[in-house]
Amino acid sequence: DSGVTQTPKHLITATGQRVTLRCSPRSGDLSVYWYQQSLDQGLQFLIQYYNGEERAKGNILERFSAQQFPDLHSELNLSSLELGDSALYFCASSVGVTGRDGYTFGSGTRLTVV
Amino acid sequence: AQSVTQLGSHVSVSEGALVLLRCNYSSSVPPYLFWYVQYPNQGLQLLLKYTSAATLVKGINDFEAEFKKSETSFHLTKPSAHMSDAAEYFCAVSDRGFGNEKLTFGTGTRLTIIP
Repeated sequence: DSGVTQTPKHLITATGQRVTLRCSPRSGDLSVYWYQQSLDQGLQFLIQYYNGEERAKGNILERFSAQQFPDLHSELNLSSLELGDSALYFCASSVGVTGRDGYTFGSGTRLTVV
Repeated sequence: AQSVTQLGSHVSVSEGALVLLRCNYSSSVPPYLFWYVQYPNQGLQLLLKYTSAATLVKGINDFEAEFKKSETSFHLTKPSAHMSDAAEYFCAVSDRGFGNEKLTFGTGTRLTIIP
């Protein structure tokens, strides 16, 4: 157990729907990062939050949004889902705002859009 | 932006043989470098990291990596492969510059161990 908790582990939904993925960071970590892993794109950075504030944005689609709450857990919202959104979505956390110490990853949410 | 290149998307070695996974980074300023391992149906686990102390970095499970500035490389090695090492390995880089510290991952190398 890495200390980063992601729910749900698996999600199957239809095209056009909206889903919410949840992440609780490791105790003491203030930064949360979201990554998308697919066979054709590899690991793609989506977005980072640090202590409730958006810190960095990567290749995140406009249909996707995220937030970090006062208790530091984070949610990734995916809407108007398309078949191509099927992927593993990872959350990671770190103590500080930089990546210099590496991240701790959760076990991921596998999203299947049918 | 920082990037890393992993040479070889698939590597096969015999059990007991040397493991060598290659990673090259693109930067004129030495960045922070990492190796992660991903076992099937699991998240990524940090193997080791380079943050400008010793150039030879030791990690978990007898893995180590050597930072070579002249070659802009950070190759991962293990003297003797074990069946349990079969997994996907990712090299990652983080810029030292303020405001651009996110980890950028390579495309991964799938390691297969031949009995």
